[in-house]
Amino acid sequence: KAGVTQTPRYLIKTRGQQVTLSCSPISGHRSVSWYQQTPGQGLQFLFEYFSETQRNKGNFPGRFSGRQFSNSRSEMNVSTLELGDSALYLCASRSGGRIAEAFFGQGTRLTVV
Amino acid sequence: TQLLEQSPQFLSIQEGENLTVYCNSSSVFSSLQWYRQEPGEGPVLLVTVVTGGEVKKLKRLTFQFGDARKDSSLHITAAQPGDTGLYLCAGENDYKLSFGAGTTVTVRA
Repeated sequence: KAGVTQTPRYLIKTRGQQVTLSCSPISGHRSVSWYQQTPGQGLQFLFEYFSETQRNKGNFPGRFSGRQFSNSRSEMNVSTLELGDSALYLCASRSGGRIAEAFFGQGTRLTVV
Repeated sequence: TQLLEQSPQFLSIQEGENLTVYCNSSSVFSSLQWYRQEPGEGPVLLVTVVTGGEVKKLKRLTFQFGDARKDSSLHITAAQPGDTGLYLCAGENDYKLSFGAGTTVTVRA
């Protein structure tokens, strides 16, 4: 069974640009969550999608958005990039139930210069 | 501010010693999960505990969920260099995981 696939693994962008990250969950999993990990703040929840609907959202500015497709693949977009957006962005795949184990991808390392 | 407080922040021990990592919160969680993360990689799930007072053992690792479902501990017996990594606890509510800051464990050979 394939794991969670995140693309790309590494990305370098310039301030002001926008970026789109992709996540393919484990086959059969319908829930995808996104997290930002930085040395100073640790792992912070961005949002969670289930069957193309956002069920929960963290405390991030509107520049951070996401969506989920009918095949459960998800994308997150960050517009008008700031230096502080440099982080490891992690995607977690879950079956979708209220108490379901989360399986993480390897992450996308975003560097904003 | 982290919803979950982990302690200690760093732990360096000799191979063969035991260690315990603590995870405390003032919030009640529907479940609590423990992960281990290697540098540059995503967290890998170790265990999920759901019931207050629950104890789970996985080989040399013992996980406990507090009776009130607010705190948890991870105990490693006879630690090995392969146990080195960042250990994270995460509490779940409403499809959202809230993570502790993590405990960096180093096991010296």
